[in-house]
This record gives sequence, C-alpha cells and structure tokens, in this order.
Amino acid sequence: AQKVTQAQTEISVVEKEDVTLDCVYETRDTTYYLFWYKQPPSGELVFLIRRNSFDEQNEISGRYSWNFQKSTSSFNFTITASQVVDSAVYFCAPPGGRDDKIIFGKGTRLHILP
Amino acid sequence: DGGITQSPKYLFRKEGQNVTLSCEQNLNHDAMYWYRQDPGQGLRLIYYSQIVNDFQKGDIAEGYSVSREKKESFPLTVTSAQKNPTAFYLCASSRQGRGTEAFFGQGTRLTVV
Repeated sequence: AQKVTQAQTEISVVEKEDVTLDCVYETRDTTYYLFWYKQPPSGELVFLIRRNSFDEQNEISGRYSWNFQKSTSSFNFTITASQVVDSAVYFCAPPGGRDDKIIFGKGTRLHILP
Repeated sequence: DGGITQSPKYLFRKEGQNVTLSCEQNLNHDAMYWYRQDPGQGLRLIYYSQIVNDFQKGDIAEGYSVSREKKESFPLTVTSAQKNPTAFYLCASSRQGRGTEAFFGQGTRLTVV
C-alpha cells in the first residue's frame, strides 16, 4: 500500500523567514511521480510542481525549491523569504495506485505572520 | 479560457433531501474526481471516473452517487443516506496517466440546515 505523510499539521513563521514543509512517501513502486499543490483561502487547489522518481536534482522556481531524496522517500518543499501571500494549505500528493486515482496527504497549513 | 466550473459555490440543504453538485470541464480531460474536505482536514476521494460511462468508488463513497454521461460533466449527488454531508466539495480533472497533475474547480460549500 502507498502512504503519504505530512507530519506538520500547522506551521507559523514570521514574514521573510524561510520555511520547509516535509513530505514522506512510502511505496513499493520503483518509478513514480510526486506532486505539490497549494490551497489558498479561496479554496481552489493550484498545482505547483511535479517530480519523477528518477530525478533527484533540486528544483528551484523563484522563492520555491524542492528537494527530492528517494533514499529517504522524502519530497520537501522550501519557501525562501516567505510572504503573507504564501499563507495556505500545502498538499503533497503521490500518484494513486494501479488505477491511477489521485490521492492526497492531509496537508500542512502554513501561516505567514506580518 | 479552459477550466473547471463548479456550481453553486454555496448550497444549503434540509436534512433528508438529496442535492446535486455540478462539475463541468472544458479541458478535454478523460479523468474526473470528487473530493470532500472537512475543516482542518485533507482531501478524501469520493468517486472518480477515468472514462465516460464508467466510474469507481473512492474511500468515502457511501451516501453519494455520480454519473458520467458526458466527458465534460461529472455531477455528484449527496443523498439523504449521507449522515454528515456538511463539507467543502472539490471537483478535479486530469489527463490520463500517473504523471499528470489535477486541475481543480473552486469548490462547493454544502451546509445542511
């Protein structure tokens, strides 16, 4: 069975601090994709990034960066110089099972305090 | 613009009544999904469909029903058998295949009064 764990339920940091959100994905699959989504207060989820298990290079997009380590099954997400607009719930989403359904972790609620 | 439209945004239902939530997409996606989100909780999968005229139960299908008569549409009916229907409902779609991301609607907030 596949399992995704976002151990941090809620995080609060002061604006301009860096913050890292953790995600651990357990699977017996040798190849897979992992996703991160953002859910702002409006409610609609927005896709942020997709990585596949072959690629362990860090990905950087502006203030966002992702670190994927297959050996530890972790796919962590770092926001540098956080801003109030980063306040949201962030979901790590591994792929589903053989029937391709998309499942989600419980999410991490991030509060950026001004 | 392509996207997913959910309606209505807010919905109130009396206990014992069935209610249908609409989800329409013009992205030409084969797969569509319904999720339920409770306050402070993650997303739980209710039903999903990979192709027209076919759908599968997710983790919490009891008390819900769906249909997929058209590729663009995947309505969700919350029946009176659903004991605790008050929640935020999100519809999503994606292309086929594991490496494809999902696109979401803006959600419907259902309240039972």
